[in-house]
Amino acid sequence: DTGVSQDPRHKITKRGQNVTFRCDPISEHNRLYWYRQTLGQGPEFLTYFQNEAQLEKSRLLSDRFSAERPKGSFSTLEIQRTEQGDSAMYLCASSPTRGSGIEQFFGPGTRLTVL
Amino acid sequence: GDSVTQMEGPVTLSEEAFLTINCTYTATGYPSLFWYVQYPGEGLQLLLKATKADDKGSNKGFEATYRKETTSFHLEKGSVQVSDSAVYFCALSAISGDTGRRALTFGSGTRLQVQP
Repeated sequence: DTGVSQDPRHKITKRGQNVTFRCDPISEHNRLYWYRQTLGQGPEFLTYFQNEAQLEKSRLLSDRFSAERPKGSFSTLEIQRTEQGDSAMYLCASSPTRGSGIEQFFGPGTRLTVL
Repeated sequence: GDSVTQMEGPVTLSEEAFLTINCTYTATGYPSLFWYVQYPGEGLQLLLKATKADDKGSNKGFEATYRKETTSFHLEKGSVQVSDSAVYFCALSAISGDTGRRALTFGSGTRLQVQP
């Protein structure tokens, strides 16, 4: 299966700890997105990469959050000094650049619980 | 900014009933419209899409028509099955500024429960 993969699937941490999530997009997809989904809500946009360049960040992405996509392949999302309000599902999606590139393919998500 | 409003759930139906989940949107320009589905314990899957006014997206018996005049994209299915029980998200995508970003703006989701 060559879909979007995310690791880990679940993460439980204590408040104040740092966590890092990984996303592996579909191999030929140049665009990569991170979203956050809280219980009972739809996903909200966090940040966007085209190849290795981080082109846009949402206001939701505080300075405790950082994302990278070295070499334009996999991406990591790090949260420093986690807070209970960071508890959510973190979703990664990718899309191709050629054609309209409008369809995004989502990974299974990483569920973060901050105690 | 862009926004999507969809009917609150849960929607509870008996098997073989007709389904409508309402979705309206606010966006500048001409967005593309989507319905995504999230089955229990699984990730988001694209159900159907429409890229311009009057387009009809369809998949697995579900349909939705892009209505620009009413800014709506209602999801319908003629006869639901127990296996259709899931959360359904309406979403739009529009190019943002100079970055080419096409991030999705989602509604809050509608949970569908189909009883045998």
